[in-house]
Parts: sequence; C-alpha cells; structure tokens
Amino acid sequence: DIQMTQSPSTLSASVGGSVTITCRASQSVGTSLAWYQQKPGNAPELLIYQVSTLQIGVPSRFIGRGSGTEFTLTINNLQPVDFATYYCQQYNRFSPTFGQGTKVDVK
Amino acid sequence: QVQLVESGGAVVQPGGSLRLSCAASGFTFSMYAMHWVRQTPGKGLEWVALIWSDGTEKFYGDSVKGRFTISRDNSKNTVFLQMNSLRDDDTAVYYCSKNQQNYYDLSASDYWGRGTLVTVSA
Repeated sequence: DIQMTQSPSTLSASVGGSVTITCRASQSVGTSLAWYQQKPGNAPELLIYQVSTLQIGVPSRFIGRGSGTEFTLTINNLQPVDFATYYCQQYNRFSPTFGQGTKVDVK
Repeated sequence: QVQLVESGGAVVQPGGSLRLSCAASGFTFSMYAMHWVRQTPGKGLEWVALIWSDGTEKFYGDSVKGRFTISRDNSKNTVFLQMNSLRDDDTAVYYCSKNQQNYYDLSASDYWGRGTLVTVSA
C-alpha cells in the first residue's frame, strides 16, 4: 500500500492568517490526490481533488499544489469555520489511503 | 440532493458478524462506484472497501480482506458491508461514500453519509 504522511499533526493559527499542510506519498500517486476537511462529529467533506481542483462551493482561499510524492494544502485568510482536521488521500491505486490528519486550531 | 444514510451499526462480540447498509438517493446510483471508509474513535480515516457501479469488481483494504464483503443492490439504491470474524480493532464509525467519477474510474469521494458506529466488545 502507498503510505501517506502528513505534517504537522497539529497547527495553531489565527483568524486571518495562513497555514500550509504537507502530505508526502511513499511512492508517486501522479495527480490522484484529494484533501478533505472534517469537523468533530461530522463526516469528512471533499475540498480538493486532482491535487488542485476545488470541489463546488469551496472558497478560493483553499489552494492545493504538488505532484508525484509531495503535496501541499494552503489555507489563506483563515476563517473561524476553517478550524478543523484536514486529511489528504491518494486514489492512484485500488487501495486508497489517507494521511493521519492535521488539526488546525486557534492560536 | 445527494443523501447517503448508513444503518446497521451495533455492539457485537468478538468473532461475531454484522451487516451494514447504506441507502443512497439524489443521484443515479447505478452509475457510481461506492466506498466504505471507517474511522476509529479519535483516530484517522481508513479506507475499507470499494465496489464498481455494476458490482463486477470489488476491492478491500488489507486489514479486512477475507473477513468483509461489499455488495450492492442497484434496484434498491443500496450498498452493503457484510462484516464477519469481527475483532476489537474493527470498532469504528463506518461511512459509506460516493465515488466522484462514474462507472470504473477510481476517484475521490464527493459525498459521505453521517456514519454508523460499530463496537466490537465482549
């Protein structure tokens, strides 16, 4: 299986600030990379797919970049609704795998 | 609007069996692959199983291979997860999710249910 490693595990930031989360794959996943947001008690929600394409309704302050084995999710101008846990997922092979998650909390 | 509603979660003893269901609505169910993904309390997400839109191909995570079976009934817009030989570490919230791309193209999951809790405990 392809292992996905996210860093950091936790990130503290202020409203209006910016954060970047990194996701590294143990082997190339091409552009088959998605990001999800999850809030406590809720199911994950798709934010970005194919590395950088925003899901319908997702604001443009979310930016996905990368290819191959290294990917980033940047959130600019953090809003109160953005404090949540974020997961990357590769779907390059028929055994999709998730990163372990990055919790973005209020500084 | 797309809705996925899981059911069937329960408390079950180790070695026992359980069948989860996920009722779908708001899209042409027979056109899309479906996933099961689980999340252990306080932990991350683990992909469990995938079934193609027509049910001809099924794929499983290593930790459930040989114990779990995914199936679907396109006439009832429902996907199932039969779980046998349950272990303590199968305790989790189980989500079904819709594959974003149709037919045979593996992709991200664009819609998720609210999940159903399975607890394996003596």
